[in-house]
Amino acid sequence: SQQGEEDPQALSIQEGENATMNCSYKTSINNLQWYRQNSGRGLVHLILIRSNEREKHSGRLRVTLDTSKKSSSLLITASRAADTASYFCATGYSSASKIIFGSGTRLSIRP
Amino acid sequence: GAVVSQHPSRVICKSGTSVKIECRSLDFQATTMFWYRQFPKQSLMLMATSNEGSKATYEQGVEKDKFLINHASLTLSTLTVTSAHPEDSSFYICSARARGLDQETQYFGPGTRLLVL
Repeated sequence: SQQGEEDPQALSIQEGENATMNCSYKTSINNLQWYRQNSGRGLVHLILIRSNEREKHSGRLRVTLDTSKKSSSLLITASRAADTASYFCATGYSSASKIIFGSGTRLSIRP
Repeated sequence: GAVVSQHPSRVICKSGTSVKIECRSLDFQATTMFWYRQFPKQSLMLMATSNEGSKATYEQGVEKDKFLINHASLTLSTLTVTSAHPEDSSFYICSARARGLDQETQYFGPGTRLLVL
């Protein structure tokens, strides 16, 4: 079963703009991770945020976590064509447990 | 570092045959490996969790007799789709959690695309 729901399901923006994707989940978590998947390929781990953290940065990525609202957001700044991919959040219940993926957001960057 | 490979990358088989997919951690020992299935334009659905030397734990709704998982060593797990049918056609992805490294991170293989005719 899926733990997370993401919105929007699809997002198309102009190159250079910022892209924001949201993830909501249902039960308490230990950590939340964001992954990228290029079409028909494997997943690339982007960033992990723990339940006691509120914000994390990695390059052009910024992730926030609001445990009171059971939601997270992924912001990609100054988007590039190479950012075109599907993005998934995944929630973990403990530090070494399985992770459950959200429904994903398909991001398209227009040149 | 932390590279996971899968073999084959794509396979076509006839209905009723069995297909084996390998997942290998190339430069680390994997305490736990996970198998996912992904249908077109959908998310990854966890099928099972496998720990080296013990039986796999299957998610609800996944038939353990149809999807046989063997985690024979710390670097290899195999998924065998037995008596495959067209509805088993999907993208199968494995991931591995590394011993000694960040236990929260899973490293994903490139996936295997299965087409059952």
